[in-house]
Order: sequence, then C-alpha cells, then structure tokens
Amino acid sequence: TQTVSQSDAHVTVFEGDSVELRCNYSYGGSIYLSWYIQHHGRGLQFLLKYYSGNPVVQGVNGFEAEFSKSDSSFHLRKASVHWSDSAVYFCAVSAQTGFASALTFGSGTKVIVLP
Amino acid sequence: EAAVTQSPRNKVTVTGGNVTLSCRQTNSHNYMYWYRQDTGHGLRLIHYSYGAGNLQIGDVPDGYKATRTTQEDFFLLLELASPSQTSLYFCASRAETLYFGSGTRLTVL
Repeated sequence: TQTVSQSDAHVTVFEGDSVELRCNYSYGGSIYLSWYIQHHGRGLQFLLKYYSGNPVVQGVNGFEAEFSKSDSSFHLRKASVHWSDSAVYFCAVSAQTGFASALTFGSGTKVIVLP
Repeated sequence: EAAVTQSPRNKVTVTGGNVTLSCRQTNSHNYMYWYRQDTGHGLRLIHYSYGAGNLQIGDVPDGYKATRTTQEDFFLLLELASPSQTSLYFCASRAETLYFGSGTRLTVL
C-alpha cells in the first residue's frame, strides 16, 4: 500500500516569488507520481507526472517537479508565481502497475498568492 | 478534450435518504473512479471500475455502492445516507492521467 504526505497545509507567497510544495511518499516498488491543481469550486486538473527517466519533469504553466528516490520525495516548484496560481495542489502516487492501481492523494497544500 | 460530467451539482437529503450520483465520460476510458473530498483528508477513493459490469472496492467503501452500467456511465449509490457522508464527491476517468468532473456537493441533514 502506498501513502503520500504533504507537510504544508497552507503556503502564502507574493506574486513573482518562487514556491516549493513538498510531497513525500512511501512505497516499496516502482512508483508513478503526479501533481494536480484544484482551483476554487472546480475539479482537479493534471499538472505533471513522473514514472521513469529524468528526475526533473516539466509541467504546464512553468511548474516542474523533482523526483528523489533517496528522499522518497516529489516536490513541486515554480520560479515565479502568478496570482492565478492560487489554488490547492495535490500530490498523488500509485504503484506502477498500469491503470489497475488507483491513485492515492495527499491532503493538499493551499497556495495563496498575494499581490 | 476529455470530458467527465457529473450530476447533480448539488444535492441535499435527509438522514436515511436514498441518493444516486451520476457520472458520464465521453473519452472511452476503461477506468472510472469515485472520490470524496473532505478538508484535511484530501481525496479518498470510494470505488472504481475498469469496465462495464466491473466494480473494485476503494479505501473508504462503507455506506456506498456503485454500479458501472456502460463504458460511459458510473453511478454512486447511498441507500441510507448519513451526515458523515456530507462531502464533495468527484468522479474521474483515466487514460494515463485522471480527468475529473466538476464535483457534486452532497449535504445530508
């Protein structure tokens, strides 16, 4: 069974600042990792994913994430945030056994971008 | 673009009531999922399915039934609703990534 932890419930930053959202997971086998964004009142939308290869993956809107097997982490970063990045961000993991393994989500990090 | 439609958007019922939440996807995806979202818990998996007639139990299935009638349609059933089932419910279908509907907010009084 896989688990995922997002240690920060809330993060507040100013527009133009950088931001890093932490995600740590536990699972003994090969793993599929992803990040999703949820704007207020909406469903979740996919940002980026990792399952093999280059540990730094690029997503939409300038987001990137870095996989670290040694740290069991998949932190999300953005160099310069925009007010529209205010949202809740969810890290998700699943065993890399194709679609048969459902995604397990973290509790989410709410990002507030101040002008 | 992948589309997942949920209905109703909002639902209020009373304790012991019978509720059906509907989800339709037009993507021909095999996998469909029902999640509930609660503050502090993120999204928790209730049930999922990999095709018509198939049902898999998720992490928080108690009090819920589900049925996948076609490739497109996946229903979540609460036959005796309780206040603890007040939540925001999301349906999703999956290719490599998940495509979510806009959610159904259920209130059980």
